[in-house]
Amino acid sequence: KQEVTQIPAALSVPEGENLVLNCSFTDSAIYNLQWFRQDPGKGLTSLLLIQSSQREQTSGRLNASLDKSSGRSTLYIAASQPGDSATYLCAVVQTGANNLFFGTGTRLTVIP
Amino acid sequence: GAGVSQSPSNKVTEKGKDVELRCDPISGHTALYWYRQSLGQGLEFLIYFQGNSAPDKSGLPSDRFSAERTGGSVSTLTIQRTQQEDSAVYLCASSFSDRVGYTFGSGTRLTVV
Repeated sequence: KQEVTQIPAALSVPEGENLVLNCSFTDSAIYNLQWFRQDPGKGLTSLLLIQSSQREQTSGRLNASLDKSSGRSTLYIAASQPGDSATYLCAVVQTGANNLFFGTGTRLTVIP
Repeated sequence: GAGVSQSPSNKVTEKGKDVELRCDPISGHTALYWYRQSLGQGLEFLIYFQGNSAPDKSGLPSDRFSAERTGGSVSTLTIQRTQQEDSAVYLCASSFSDRVGYTFGSGTRLTVV
């Protein structure tokens, strides 16, 4: 069964710092990998989607990379802002399946 | 509507009672998913609908859990004889295509006392 792990579980940084969140998955037979953010009491917001054939995707200050063979993805956040404070979730869709397998998330706090 | 709507947003129920959770997906989204998020746990897949049929029910934790979808739109997740371990946030998502373009609702926080 696919297992998705996110490290660290929590991260606190001063405003303006660049940071990297890590995601690893045990089964490399994935269709795609997605990064979401979740604000307290809210649903999930999709940030970036990387197809299995892609190496990275960028959106504004966010850059996500995918190394499928090693089962790893990173989410890079440049020039962090207090509004970036949230829980960040990594999820994969297994080849031949339709549902997302989620990691347990990294709770990010950006200190003004 | 513009997003995925879930109701109620909060539900407190007594152990042993039945509850129904509702999800109203984005119009035109054929795929619909239910997930459960327990305190300190990751999101756990429950069930997937394509149209009105549920090709994947593998995540339903017990036969107390059931779900249906009518008219290719609204879905209801029913939990019978609720137990305290059912306490969690139940999230619904819909997408226009399998595997991509997910939009999540804000969830229903269920507390079983």
